[in-house]
Amino acid sequence: AQSVTQLGSHVSVSEGALVLLRCNYSSSVPPYLFWYVQYPNQGLQLLLKYTTGATLVKGINGFEAEFKKSETSFHLTKPSAHMSDAAEYFCAVSVSRNEKLTFGTGTRLTIIP
Amino acid sequence: NAGVTQTPKFRVLKTGQSMTLLCAQDMNHEYMYWYRQDPGMGLRLIHYSVGEGTTAKGEVPDGYNVSRLKKQNFLLGLESAAPSQTSVYFCASSYPIRNSPLHFGNGTRLTVT
Repeated sequence: AQSVTQLGSHVSVSEGALVLLRCNYSSSVPPYLFWYVQYPNQGLQLLLKYTTGATLVKGINGFEAEFKKSETSFHLTKPSAHMSDAAEYFCAVSVSRNEKLTFGTGTRLTIIP
Repeated sequence: NAGVTQTPKFRVLKTGQSMTLLCAQDMNHEYMYWYRQDPGMGLRLIHYSVGEGTTAKGEVPDGYNVSRLKKQNFLLGLESAAPSQTSVYFCASSYPIRNSPLHFGNGTRLTVT
């Protein structure tokens, strides 16, 4: 069975500061890993996804994530937070071809002016 | 580009009433999904479909039924609504390709009183 854990349901950072959102997964086979973002009153949008062979994945809006197999982690980072980054972020894992994703419980990111 | 369209956007039901949530996608995707989103629980898969005329149960299927009579449409039915079904419902679709991202609708907010 696969699962994903997001540490911290709420994270606050100052504008211009580093953003770090944590995600750990468990999977008995090599996983597919994703980060999605949800802005208020909208559906989820893909930020980035992990493809085998590339441990550092770059996504949209300056976000990136690093796949660390030894730590079973896929943390999301952005060097400098912007007010527009305020949203809820979901990590997701899939081990099946038909993309039945298992989502984490989400992390709400607040940006302090 | 419409993408994934969900109707209605909001609905209030009394316990025991029935309703159907509609999802339509114009991207010719094979796979379609229904999720529910509840605070602190992330997204949980209700039912999904890997093609026209096929459906399968997800993580939390009880109390829901689905139909995929046409490739572009995926319907979610509640035969006898219960307060526990108060939630935000998201439809998503994707190609049947590894790592193909899910495309989400903007959600239906359902309240059962």
